Amino acid sequence: DSGVTQTPKHLITATGQRVTLRCSPRSGDLSVYWYQQSLDQGLQFLIQYYNGEERAKGNILERFSAQQFPDLHSELNLSSLELGDSALYFCASSVVASGYNEQFFGPGTRLTVL
Amino acid sequence: AQKVTQAQTEISVVEKEDVTLDCVYETRDTTYYLFWYKQPPSGELVFLIRRNSFDEQNEISGRYSWNFQKSTSSFNFTITASQVVDSAVYFCALSEAGSEKLVFGKGMKLTVNP
Repeated sequence: DSGVTQTPKHLITATGQRVTLRCSPRSGDLSVYWYQQSLDQGLQFLIQYYNGEERAKGNILERFSAQQFPDLHSELNLSSLELGDSALYFCASSVVASGYNEQFFGPGTRLTVL
Repeated sequence: AQKVTQAQTEISVVEKEDVTLDCVYETRDTTYYLFWYKQPPSGELVFLIRRNSFDEQNEISGRYSWNFQKSTSSFNFTITASQVVDSAVYFCALSEAGSEKLVFGKGMKLTVNP
């Protein structure tokens, strides 16, 4: 158990809908990362927050957005969902925002868009 | 640009065999960090090891060992006397100093048969 929690574990929804994925980092970790794992693209970095502020953006679609709240939990919002958005979405956390620090991953949320 | 290549996509071995997972990386930075993660069938990503670019010492942890060679830009992972519980997808990843995102290889699926 990495200490990172993600809810829900599974999500099934329809095209055009909007969903919110939630992540609670390990106690004491200030940095939260979101990754998408799909068969086509592999594991890809989406976005990073550090202590409430956006720190870095990767290949995140404009239909996707995220935020980190004062209690450090983070939410990833996916809207106007398409079939291709079906994937496993991981949240990870690290103590500080540094390439040196290993990131600890949550169990993931499996999103299925029908 | 950062890139991680895991040329092998799938390997199948019999228990007690040794197996080496190859990882080749590309980066323009002189300071960078290399990681290996394990993704068992249950789906979570488990951190295994981190190496920084200034430390070329090989590392051994039980049946696991890692060989980092800057001259060939490789960071290979060997499992000695493999066990069925080692069956998983293994990912090599890279982060650069100043960029906390992880860039992952495509992963290598290891199946250890009894």
